Amino acid sequence: GAVVSQHPSWVICKSGTSVKIECRSLDFQATTMFWYRQFPKQSLMLMATSNEGSKATYEQGVEKDKFLINHASLTLSTLTVTSAHPEDSSFYICSARGGVAGGFFSYEQYFGPGTRLTVT
Amino acid sequence: SQQGEEDPQALSIQEGENATMNCSYKTSINNLQWYRQNSGRGLVHLILIRSNEREKHSGRLRVTLDTSKKSSSLLITASRAADTASYFCATDAKGEYGNKLVFGAGTILRVKS
Repeated sequence: GAVVSQHPSWVICKSGTSVKIECRSLDFQATTMFWYRQFPKQSLMLMATSNEGSKATYEQGVEKDKFLINHASLTLSTLTVTSAHPEDSSFYICSARGGVAGGFFSYEQYFGPGTRLTVT
Repeated sequence: SQQGEEDPQALSIQEGENATMNCSYKTSINNLQWYRQNSGRGLVHLILIRSNEREKHSGRLRVTLDTSKKSSSLLITASRAADTASYFCATDAKGEYGNKLVFGAGTILRVKS
């Protein structure tokens, strides 16, 4: 099956610094990537959707200047949390969706293993 | 925004018993999916059921879908301690770049051995 990786798997940073999280589709080209955030004991909340080469679309309530998303290639998307604060501590999960596969458009989303961010 | 709501929020059962989790959603869907997540880990895709299907089986899993009631249920039969995890339903919602998965609140399942 399709594999999505994330790096790093966990990161601790100081308040006020920026953190970049990478999401890669390893064996398929991801035309669309999704970023989710999950607080402890809660569900996944979609933050933003991006298409390769286009600006990301952010969900209501998500600050686009704080969570910068770059989908520069068909296999890589990055999420940068700028000027991180303790309330940004969360589990960030990316998901990738491929394009045409075998002549059919694939709607299936494949999920990365997540990145645990702790801001001190 | 979340589209799916799940109940119960938490479920504790004995090993060998069946576990049933329910999910309700608000808008029309093309399909509904169920995922499992072990504590602090990524998602594991369990099963997808299309809007024109009413029931689907996969091993010890049985999923039903009632589009008239906008609800789905996940049944795990003969539960095992290893089934302890959070379970989420996810529905597809229209987005600018095609459909996007929106998750329900989830059910925390604890199977006691």
